[in-house]
Amino acid sequence: QKEVEQNSGPLSVPEGAIASLNCTYSDRGSQSFFWYRQYSGKSPELIMFIYSNGDKEDGRFTAQLNKASQYVSLLIRDSQPSDSATYLCAVNTGFQKLVFGTGTRLLVSP
Amino acid sequence: ETGVTQSPTHLIKTRGQQVTLRCSSQSGHNTVSWYQQALGQGPQFIFQYYREEENGRGNFPPRFSGLQFPNYSSELNVNALELDDSALYLCASSNLGLAGRTDTQYFGPGTRLTVL
Repeated sequence: QKEVEQNSGPLSVPEGAIASLNCTYSDRGSQSFFWYRQYSGKSPELIMFIYSNGDKEDGRFTAQLNKASQYVSLLIRDSQPSDSATYLCAVNTGFQKLVFGTGTRLLVSP
Repeated sequence: ETGVTQSPTHLIKTRGQQVTLRCSSQSGHNTVSWYQQALGQGPQFIFQYYREEENGRGNFPPRFSGLQFPNYSSELNVNALELDDSALYLCASSNLGLAGRTDTQYFGPGTRLTVL
């Protein structure tokens, strides 16, 4: 079982819709969770982080964490074509490293 | 922009050669982590440096080594390059906070290494 799992996609949504990206992790001791956006050929860009169970909202983005079920999700409201990218879920399983999923490719069509 | 810089942007080497990649951390950050990202994969943790010492290492062989300097900038050295070393190498800047836990990591633009 991979430490962090994501559906590779692509996830296709029309412009203006809500995109829902999901991630599961295996280490119950994980403390902090991150979503990064990565455009093709570029480096990962931090979108959100979440430490506590529940929802955290920042503009059009909402991160959701459920530690009991070991999943974290990212909702993107009013999706725009510029949101088309690969979204990486990352989990801090210890003191030093981030463990990443393989990413979900999101395609937002005009 | 994160304030994290990396050089060079691209690099082409041949198998068996050695390479040095460089990273300058964001102002105010004391920790640098290095990741390798192969095509279609998520970044894989190589190692982390804090106060000029290695502070954690992933599953990479000893031919991957690093340094951190007093100004918190860092180098990644790879000896005896192999074809599978072709990847995007990412440097991430952060602070080591309470109880030694790494704070949020911010990535530089990366160095694309191609090994022929």
